[in-house]
Amino acid sequence: QKEVEQDPGPLSVPEGAIVSLNCTYSNSAFQYFMWYRQYSRKGPELLMYTYSSGNKEDGRFTAQVDKSSKYISLFIRDSQPSDSATYLCAMSVDSNYQLIWGAGTKLIIKP
Amino acid sequence: DAGVTQSPTHLIKTRGQQVTLRCSPKSGHDTVSWYQQALGQGPQFIFQYYEEEERQRGNFPDRFSGHQFPNYSSELNVNALLLGDSALYLCASSSTWGEQYFGPGTRLTVT
Repeated sequence: QKEVEQDPGPLSVPEGAIVSLNCTYSNSAFQYFMWYRQYSRKGPELLMYTYSSGNKEDGRFTAQVDKSSKYISLFIRDSQPSDSATYLCAMSVDSNYQLIWGAGTKLIIKP
Repeated sequence: DAGVTQSPTHLIKTRGQQVTLRCSPKSGHDTVSWYQQALGQGPQFIFQYYEEEERQRGNFPDRFSGHQFPNYSSELNVNALLLGDSALYLCASSSTWGEQYFGPGTRLTVT
């Protein structure tokens, strides 16, 4: 079993929809949780960085962490075709420590 | 701010050869981490350098080695290349606070 599980998709939704992306994990020592966006053949771009449980909002993006369930989510409101990309979750046991990644979910926003 | 830069963008090598990849961190960052990303998968942590020392290492063989210079830039060296080493090699830089920012990657093809 992988430490971090993420549905690879693809997930296809119409423009303007609310998107929900999720990851589950098995290591209860994880404390730092991140979401990255990666366009084809490019490096990952940091979207959200959260510590421990709770919610964090940044523009159209909201990250949620539920440590009791070992479950994290990323919500995208008012989705745009430019949001089409692969979304990767990552997590670590300490600040500035090695990141453990999900496989990524391919998201397609249809105009 | 130029962000994290990597060179070369892509290269093709033959099995058994050696390769050196280079990374310049984001301004103000002193830590460099290297990751390997196979097609369709999440990145895998190779190692991290801080103060010119390898601070953490993932599950990669000794064929993978690195170096960090006094200006915080870094090199990744891979010896005795195998077909399975074909991947996107990502460099991430960070400061004490731990958020890792990635470069565009170097795509290595081993034939």
